[in-house]
Amino acid sequence: EAGVVQSPRYKIIEKKQPVAFWCNPISGHNTLYWYLQNLGQGPELLIRYENEEAVDDSQLPKDRFSAERLKGVDSTLKIQPAELGDSAVYLCASSLGDEQYFGPGTRLTVT
Amino acid sequence: QKEVEQDPGPLSVPEGAIVSLNCTYSNSAFQYFMWYRQYSRKGPELLMYTYSSGNKEDGRFTAQVDKSSKYISLFIRDSQPSDSATYLCAMRNSSASKIIFGSGTRLSIRP
Repeated sequence: EAGVVQSPRYKIIEKKQPVAFWCNPISGHNTLYWYLQNLGQGPELLIRYENEEAVDDSQLPKDRFSAERLKGVDSTLKIQPAELGDSAVYLCASSLGDEQYFGPGTRLTVT
Repeated sequence: QKEVEQDPGPLSVPEGAIVSLNCTYSNSAFQYFMWYRQYSRKGPELLMYTYSSGNKEDGRFTAQVDKSSKYISLFIRDSQPSDSATYLCAMRNSSASKIIFGSGTRLSIRP
């Protein structure tokens, strides 16, 4: 069974440019999470979806970040415009019960 | 003060040693406690999942939770070079799915 798939794995952009990350969760997992992980830190939740509905987006900086999960399967996280401080790893995870399965992440560098 | 505190290390021990990793927390509402292992450039992988206080053993790994002291531990017996990774503690309360992660301890096992 395939795990959580994320793309791209690495992205380098200049500040003020837009960027998008894609996540395909494990088949059948109705809950999807986007996390931000800074160097030397643990993951921090940005947004959680139950099927198509965003049930917890309190930590998502809505002035520049947006996310969607239109058909309750794969999801896209967008940043527009990117700032230098957005450089980090963006992790996607999915779950059916208590255990969350993480993807490999997208490493974003903003120059 | 962070809700979850974890010594970042790095911790370096010889192969075969017993490793002790620890976290403290401040929120007495936390009921579920987890340990994740994260290899370089990979997503976190769930190692141990415990509820409330007590011990749980799985192979070479033992997780301990002391809710009275707000202190959790992960012990690794007969450590192997393949155990070299960052170990993240994580916890949540009983009614929410949001997991709070520690900052991770970087562990290196010397052959």
